[in-house]
Amino acid sequence: DSGVTQTPKHLITATGQRVTLRCSPRSGDLSVYWYQQSLDQGLQFLIQYYNGEERAKGNILERFSAQQFPDLHSELNLSSLELGDSALYFCASSVGGRLNTEAFFGQGTRLTVV
Amino acid sequence: TQLLEQSPQFLSIQEGENLTVYCNSSSVFSSLQWYRQEPGEGPVLLVTVVTGGEVKKLKRLTFQFGDARKDSSLHITAAQPGDTGLYLCAGELVNYGQNFVFGPGTRLSVLP
Repeated sequence: DSGVTQTPKHLITATGQRVTLRCSPRSGDLSVYWYQQSLDQGLQFLIQYYNGEERAKGNILERFSAQQFPDLHSELNLSSLELGDSALYFCASSVGGRLNTEAFFGQGTRLTVV
Repeated sequence: TQLLEQSPQFLSIQEGENLTVYCNSSSVFSSLQWYRQEPGEGPVLLVTVVTGGEVKKLKRLTFQFGDARKDSSLHITAAQPGDTGLYLCAGELVNYGQNFVFGPGTRLSVLP
């Protein structure tokens, strides 16, 4: 158990819909990272928040947005969903703010868009 | 186009054998990490290398970062079934702003 909690574990929704994925970081960790893992694209870094502020941005689509709240939990919002958005979405957390800091991953949310 | 390439894509070996997997790029990385991911789980960090030419050992695993910081290798000695998993390399790019990229992974299967 990494200490990072993601909910829900599975999500099935229709194209065009909007979903919110939630992440609770390890106690004491200030950084939260979001990743997408799909069969064709592999694991891709989406975005990082550090202590409530956006710190780094990767290959995140404009239809996707994230935020980190004062209690440090984070949410990833995915809108206007397409079939190609079906993937595993991972959240990770770390104490530090550098991208190469040791981060601990949650078990992921499997999103299926039908 | 993948910024990080990994080879081989798949590897199936017998318990006790040695193996090396490779992570290559035409880009320079400020640091590079290796992860192992098991089915249904998130990746787990194995090591971070930051200096060109650096070699790090973790029990039966040896990691090397290339002198030019564009490639890395992972060598496993006397592989065990518990080593089975997806091995991912990932790195922080020097010239792409704040971006962190993963390779496609090497899927290793160690048979008893």
